[in-house]
Amino acid sequence: NAGVTQTPKFQVLKTGQSMTLQCAQDMNHNSMYWYRQDPGMGLRLIYYSASEGTTDKGEVPNGYNVSRLNKREFSLRLESAAPSQTSVYFCASSDAGPAGTQYFGPGTRLTVL
Amino acid sequence: RKEVEQDPGPFNVPEGATVAFNCTYSNSASQSFFWYRQDCRKEPKLLMSVYSSGNEDGRFTAQLNRASQYISLLIRDSKLSDSATYLCVVNRNTDKLIFGTGTRLQVFP
Repeated sequence: NAGVTQTPKFQVLKTGQSMTLQCAQDMNHNSMYWYRQDPGMGLRLIYYSASEGTTDKGEVPNGYNVSRLNKREFSLRLESAAPSQTSVYFCASSDAGPAGTQYFGPGTRLTVL
Repeated sequence: RKEVEQDPGPFNVPEGATVAFNCTYSNSASQSFFWYRQDCRKEPKLLMSVYSSGNEDGRFTAQLNRASQYISLLIRDSKLSDSATYLCVVNRNTDKLIFGTGTRLQVFP
């Protein structure tokens, strides 16, 4: 039981490049989330998916797109990376709605030059 | 004003000490409350939920004061392994959590 896995762990991009961050969970959770964490800002929600086939914007969606490929997988795409997107990205999944525990992946450290 | 506010610390305490953190939230519609722990360069993990009547888990005690809109976390008999950042988290009865920026605790020998 791996929980939530994310790839890659580290990535360096040049401004304007694109990339996709991958996330998968093996806990059969319905809800999945993408966050970014910046110093002094805390975790901020980028996008979330309450169930397979649905996605919704969070607090900071600009510059990102997501795909809920199936119940297990939720990917985050940066179409044209900008230095302001340098951050640590966490994927999470949740089992039981608002009172449910969120389980986080190990994170992707992204630097955009 | 942030929806969830925490003192960033750091709180530097010796082993064996008792330490308490507070967190305030601005939205009175908040329904669920949690403390998450985050070790340096790691992912957040649930430490404990916070219930209206207060709850305890070993050396950790969480309290909720709805009237004053704050949550507290008390750690007794601090261990070196308690050194981490503690995130206050609230939920307004949706699928989305609101995270505080965290309070850093450093326990020294």
